[in-house]
Amino acid sequence: AQKVTQAQTEISVVEKEDVTLDCVYETRDTTYYLFWYKQPPSGELVFLIRRNSFDEQNEISGRYSWNFQKSTSSFNFTITASQVVDSAVYFCALSGFSPGGGNKLTFGTGTQLKVEL
Amino acid sequence: DAGVIQSPRHEVTEMGQEVTLRCKPISGHNSLFWYRQTMMRGLELLIYFNNNVPIDDSGMPEDRFSAKMPNASFSTLKIQPSEPRDSAVYFCASRLGLDPDTQYFGPGTRLTVL
Repeated sequence: AQKVTQAQTEISVVEKEDVTLDCVYETRDTTYYLFWYKQPPSGELVFLIRRNSFDEQNEISGRYSWNFQKSTSSFNFTITASQVVDSAVYFCALSGFSPGGGNKLTFGTGTQLKVEL
Repeated sequence: DAGVIQSPRHEVTEMGQEVTLRCKPISGHNSLFWYRQTMMRGLELLIYFNNNVPIDDSGMPEDRFSAKMPNASFSTLKIQPSEPRDSAVYFCASRLGLDPDTQYFGPGTRLTVL
């Protein structure tokens, strides 16, 4: 069975602070994919990043960066110099891989990030 | 390019009424997913389709829920009869391939059953 744990329910920071959102996963698949989605107050789910289990390179996209460590089964997300517009719920998700398709996303419970002035 | 389209965006109905939620996936995508989001249970996968065929409906809560995908560009999720505990946000997502490609989500339908 797959499981994604986001232990931080809510984080509050002041604008311009850096913040890291934790994600720990469990899977028996040797090939799998990890995702982060953002859900702003408007409610939609916005795709941020996908990582496969063979690529442990960290990725940076503007103020966002992701740290994937297979040894600790973690896929953490850091926002540098946070802004009020970053306020949202962030979900980490995991998808196994079965040839022929039928992969399902398992979501964590989400971390509510509040960035205040 | 148009993303996943869902309608209606908001639905308020009374207990016992039939509710139909609609989804148009991204053109060319061949997998479609229905999710439900509640405070208590988070995001739950209800059912998904590959090439219009239902693959796994194990997440459908009970017989009151049914989903169809008559063609590649349209899917419905129906609740009959609706109950207050069905109140939630229902998301539709689509994906390009059978591989674990990225799922792209629609804006959701907020359903309130009184």
